[in-house]
Amino acid sequence: EPEVTQTPSHQVTQMGQEVILRCVPISNHLYFYWYRQILGQKVEFLVSFYNNEISEKSEIFDDQFSVERPDGSNFTLKIRSTKLEDSAMYFCASSEAGLGEQYFGPGTRLTVT
Amino acid sequence: DAKTTQPPSMDCAEGRAANLPCNHSTISGNEYVYWYRQIHSQGPQYIIHGLKNNETNEMASLIITEDRKSSTLILPHATLRDTAVYYCIVRVGLHGQNFVFGPGTRLSVLP
Repeated sequence: EPEVTQTPSHQVTQMGQEVILRCVPISNHLYFYWYRQILGQKVEFLVSFYNNEISEKSEIFDDQFSVERPDGSNFTLKIRSTKLEDSAMYFCASSEAGLGEQYFGPGTRLTVT
Repeated sequence: DAKTTQPPSMDCAEGRAANLPCNHSTISGNEYVYWYRQIHSQGPQYIIHGLKNNETNEMASLIITEDRKSSTLILPHATLRDTAVYYCIVRVGLHGQNFVFGPGTRLSVLP
């Protein structure tokens, strides 16, 4: 069964450093998303992406964040200058055109020290 | 999107049916009911969704009341691996729309 994959599974970085989280969505999906979950809190939407542009973003997704689909398979989330409060699980999701359900990856645990 | 209300926690005996309720009294005509679950810190897992008819798949059944103001997710034979947080989310059924996750129901399946 096709699934969303994410790398790395765990990333440790120092405050102020740039990080790139990588995702490979399900191959025939056209809509891509990033969510995050701070430890013990709810899953929060960050951004959705379709046709090589951002279709929706939340207040969390400020100028420090960017997304890119650099090739036909990868979807990346970049945090330019990490802060302690960026420590969280980051989940990538994708959905097929015309359908509502999204399929989530296993997540990347980002720890900012 | 309409707001949902779920009990914070429930227990279920292994092998028995788990019935997880959800209230969504402000649901509008074009909003679907989606169920996801999250096991530990894994990514949310899609379970099932429906508009007004009852739905069944290999994982669960979804029963939606006639007035659509509430629904029940049924896991017919719960196993220990079904222990998770279950989220009921109401949303328009369009691609590209994000999901708003609430606190969900923490289901504990007991041996």
